[in-house]
Amino acid sequence: KAGVTQTPRYLIKTRGQQVTLSCSPISGHRSVSWYQQTPGQGLQFLFEYFSETQRNKGNFPGRFSGRQFSNSRSEMNVSTLELGDSALYLCASRPTGGRGYTFGSGTRLTVV
Amino acid sequence: DQQVKQNSPSLSVQEGRISILNCDYTNSMFDYFLWYKKYPAEGPTFLISISSIKDKNEDGRFTVFLNKSAKHLSLHIVPSQPGDSAVYFCAASGSQGNLIFGKGTKLSVKP
Repeated sequence: KAGVTQTPRYLIKTRGQQVTLSCSPISGHRSVSWYQQTPGQGLQFLFEYFSETQRNKGNFPGRFSGRQFSNSRSEMNVSTLELGDSALYLCASRPTGGRGYTFGSGTRLTVV
Repeated sequence: DQQVKQNSPSLSVQEGRISILNCDYTNSMFDYFLWYKKYPAEGPTFLISISSIKDKNEDGRFTVFLNKSAKHLSLHIVPSQPGDSAVYFCAASGSQGNLIFGKGTKLSVKP
């Protein structure tokens, strides 16, 4: 069974640009969550999607957005990038009714 | 306002001895707790979990203890092995399901 797949693995962007990250969950998992990991703040919850609907949202500015498609694949978008957005962005999926998440390897975003 | 706290940023243990990683939480609505292990540049890997209706869960060398009255949980690794060296994250969830993570404890197991 394939795990959670995130693309790309690494990305370098310039301040002010926008970026889109992609996540394919484990087959059959309909819930997808996104987390940001930075050295100072640990893993912080961005948002969760279930059946194409945002179900829960963390405390991040509106520049961070996401969506989920009918095949459960998800994308997150960050607009008007700032240097502080440099982080490892992690996607995780879980089965319906399950409490445990399986994480992907992440996308390392560097903003210069 | 940190709802999940791991107060020890690092821990060093000798191979073969016990590693004890601690975690405190403030939200009494949390009812499910998990431990994840993470290597640099990789995603967290699930280790073990515990529901709030239990006070102990074991899986091989890993045991998680939950003390609800103290809002405290701990992960015991016995015996510790050099391959256990990683950052360990404690996480909690409530009715909404999303995970709230602590900031992690870096475990170093010396041969």
